[in-house]
Amino acid sequence: GENVEQHPSTLSVQEGDSAVIKCTYSDSASNYFPWYKQELGKGPQLIIDIRSNVGEKKDQRIAVTLNKTAKHFSLHITETQPEDSAVYFCAASIPVNNNDMRFGAGTRLTVKP
Amino acid sequence: SAVISQKPSRDICQRGTSLTIQCQVDSQVTMMFWYRQQPGQSLTLIATANQGSEATYESGFVIDKFPISRPNLTFSTLTVSNMSPEDSSIYLCSVQGGWTGELFFGEGSRLTVL
Repeated sequence: GENVEQHPSTLSVQEGDSAVIKCTYSDSASNYFPWYKQELGKGPQLIIDIRSNVGEKKDQRIAVTLNKTAKHFSLHITETQPEDSAVYFCAASIPVNNNDMRFGAGTRLTVKP
Repeated sequence: SAVISQKPSRDICQRGTSLTIQCQVDSQVTMMFWYRQQPGQSLTLIATANQGSEATYESGFVIDKFPISRPNLTFSTLTVSNMSPEDSSIYLCSVQGGWTGELFFGEGSRLTVL
């Protein structure tokens, strides 16, 4: 089955700096890669996703890149703000089988004002 | 996106008791998923709940411990049976957003077992 590894486990940046979180996956059949943000006491919220037919996707300050050959994908947050502080999870799956979605271990991002 | 409501949002339970968590979705969905998130950990799929059939459990999870009901296309329950402190976790209900494969989560039910 799919195995997703996520790094780093914790990340601390100064407000305004960029943050990058990286994930690797093992199953070459995976073609859907979402990112979730989980704030304290809340459920995970989908913030951006990418499919294997594109290499990069951007939504305002958030971007995700995908390298299918190397089987890794990354989340980039620019101009970080204190409200970006949360735990971020990457995941990989084959869309028609969501019971195959596997999550990374999570990255706790802290943005210092 | 789907709006998912879970009850209870949190509870403190005694060892050996059972607790049922409810999940209500604002639209009809084919599959509902139950996840467990142990303290400081990632999300682990417990089972997939399909309306009109038995739930499908992942390796390491059994029906006797986590019985699931799915009486209709907008509602499901997960029971955590004969609880022990190791069951202290956040339990999350999730649904798939149509054909695109996106998963949407409820706010979670935080259980503490003493």
